[in-house]
Amino acid sequence: AQTVTQSQPEMSVQEAETVTLSCTYDTSESDYYLFWYKQPPSRQMILVIRQEAYKQQNATENRFSVNFQKAAKSFSLKISDSQLGDAAMYFCALESQGAQKLVFGQGTRLTINP
Amino acid sequence: GAVVSQHPSRVICKSGTSVKIECRSLDFQATTMFWYRQFPKQSLMLMATSNEGSKATYEQGVEKDKFLINHASLTLSTLTVTSAHPEDSSFYICSARQGTLSYEQYFGPGTRLTVT
Repeated sequence: AQTVTQSQPEMSVQEAETVTLSCTYDTSESDYYLFWYKQPPSRQMILVIRQEAYKQQNATENRFSVNFQKAAKSFSLKISDSQLGDAAMYFCALESQGAQKLVFGQGTRLTINP
Repeated sequence: GAVVSQHPSRVICKSGTSVKIECRSLDFQATTMFWYRQFPKQSLMLMATSNEGSKATYEQGVEKDKFLINHASLTLSTLTVTSAHPEDSSFYICSARQGTLSYEQYFGPGTRLTVT
């Protein structure tokens, strides 16, 4: 079975500062993808960043970057220069080659303080 | 590109009636579509996976006779909640995948179902 765990139900950060959201996962497969999705109040799921397990280099998308520690099965998201529009629920997710479906973590609600 | 729509965005129905939710990929062909359910302040729970032209694969614990899924074309999947009850009230989200080589899923905006 594959699992994704987000141990921080809520996080807050001051505008313009940096915040890191934690995620750990478990899978027995070697070929898989990891994702961070953002769900703002509109509830539209938005892909923030994606990491292929076979790539050692951490993925980066503008202000968003990940710290992928494969041996530790850890996949944290760092948001730099936080903006008010970053306020949302953030979900970590895993999809393996074998399962062919996304498994989501419980989510972390991020609040940006002006 | 890669836009997925859902209709309706909100629906209220009476207990015992059936309601259909449509999921369309607007600018690509979706070989696979997924249906999720999301309770308030909770994560997304996968209900079923559907491939065009074949029967849907339901997750454990999801009643296939209650949640009928049809994926009749490469751009349309429907979820029908039959004999709806108040406990079926939830937020339903679909997603679509283009081809078999991509891991990315494109999500619809969701449908809020309220059963009175």
